[in-house]
Amino acid sequence: EVQLVESGGGLVQPGGSLRLSCAASGFTFSSYEMNWVRQAPGKGLEWVSYISSSGSTIYYADSVKGRFTISRDNAKNSLYLQMNSLRAEDTAVYYCAAGDPHDYWGQGTLVTVSS
Amino acid sequence: QSALTQPRSVSGSPGQSVTISCTGTSSDVGGYNYVSWYQQHPGKAPKLMIYDVSKRPSGVPDRFSGSKSGNTASLTISGLQAEDEADYYCCSYAGREGVFGGGTKLTVL
Repeated sequence: EVQLVESGGGLVQPGGSLRLSCAASGFTFSSYEMNWVRQAPGKGLEWVSYISSSGSTIYYADSVKGRFTISRDNAKNSLYLQMNSLRAEDTAVYYCAAGDPHDYWGQGTLVTVSS
Repeated sequence: QSALTQPRSVSGSPGQSVTISCTGTSSDVGGYNYVSWYQQHPGKAPKLMIYDVSKRPSGVPDRFSGSKSGNTASLTISGLQAEDEADYYCCSYAGREGVFGGGTKLTVL
């Protein structure tokens, strides 16, 4: 069974940092492109970042460029998102999604940026 | 990159057909045959329903179909069922990024 399990969300003050993790199982993680997609409360989906299967190609949405860093560890079947200089508008449920298109999704982890 | 434009809501009765549009530009929807559609029930993760404009993943009923003309993609759901009531999002490749539509709430009357 395919599973993607996000962790690392929580409450953080504006300007703070968080590191999200996504643990993958049930498929060949190292063969899949991976993405982070977020959803603000009551709002739609927003693509955040992409990383190729090898990690050699990375893209970011303009809204997070320079503040967020995506990475992966294929030996650990894990995807990461380092989020720095967090703002109130980064408050959202963050999903990791496997494939492009996004075949598999995790259940998400909530990030709340508030003082 | 601006979000793709979808109607905020559509509705239909059981057994009927509905179509949800997704309008972009020549830099996204019109420029690539990489449009996908996702279904999201409240409190749940999105689910891939259509990819590459008109292809269905294994397990998705053939009541769901996709198409594209110019800068507008469409998702058609025929033979509406109660469980189809959900939010639907289109997504397009746009060069070095992905872009989603704002989402459409489908109500089954």
